[in-house]
Amino acid sequence: SQKIEQNSEALNIQEGKTATLTCNYTNYSPAYLQWYRQDPGRGPVFLLLIRENEKEKRKERLKVTFDTTLKQSLFHITASQPADSATYLCALDEYSGAGSYQLTFGKGTKLSVIP
Amino acid sequence: DAGVTQSPTHLIKTRGQQVTLRCSPKSGHDTVSWYQQALGQGPQFIFQYYEEEERQRGNFPDRFSGHQFPNYSSELNVNALLLGDSALYLCASSPGGTGDNEQFFGPGTRLTVL
Repeated sequence: SQKIEQNSEALNIQEGKTATLTCNYTNYSPAYLQWYRQDPGRGPVFLLLIRENEKEKRKERLKVTFDTTLKQSLFHITASQPADSATYLCALDEYSGAGSYQLTFGKGTKLSVIP
Repeated sequence: DAGVTQSPTHLIKTRGQQVTLRCSPKSGHDTVSWYQQALGQGPQFIFQYYEEEERQRGNFPDRFSGHQFPNYSSELNVNALLLGDSALYLCASSPGGTGDNEQFFGPGTRLTVL
């Protein structure tokens, strides 16, 4: 069966350090992978998208890698700040026919950055 | 730009009742997807609408139905509510009709079924 796993439900990290979140998947052939941030009681906010033929993507303090051989994506936040505390969701998208894609989300990792 | 808006914000219903949730997509977006998010879980795909038709559907029963209007706004209807339908219902929009780009999510509607 298809499965998306995010390495841990919660991750605590000291301010200024690099946070690394992991997303592993099985039985998928994703065309691309996305990362979202979600604050309590709010909708997810898009952060980064990486396609299957891309190894790495960067945006300011964020970096995403995508290894289709390992079936894994790593999401890094460098110089982490307390404001980065949130739940981070990994989402895979496969082409599902009729010209459209369907997003499947992992359960998320709750990141807490400690001052 | 107002972004994606959803109404109502909160809703309390009893088992067996029916509910309608509403979504207005971001300006310029023609594709609307609906998700259910239970507490502590990631969003689960319900279905996607494009050109007023249901294009894709996730693993949800027929009690869940929807509609998209000519102005691209959308409704999610749930019949015969069960306790397990209590969740945050999220609407997301994207341009282009294919969905292979970032999704803009609304704030969600919190549905509680008693």
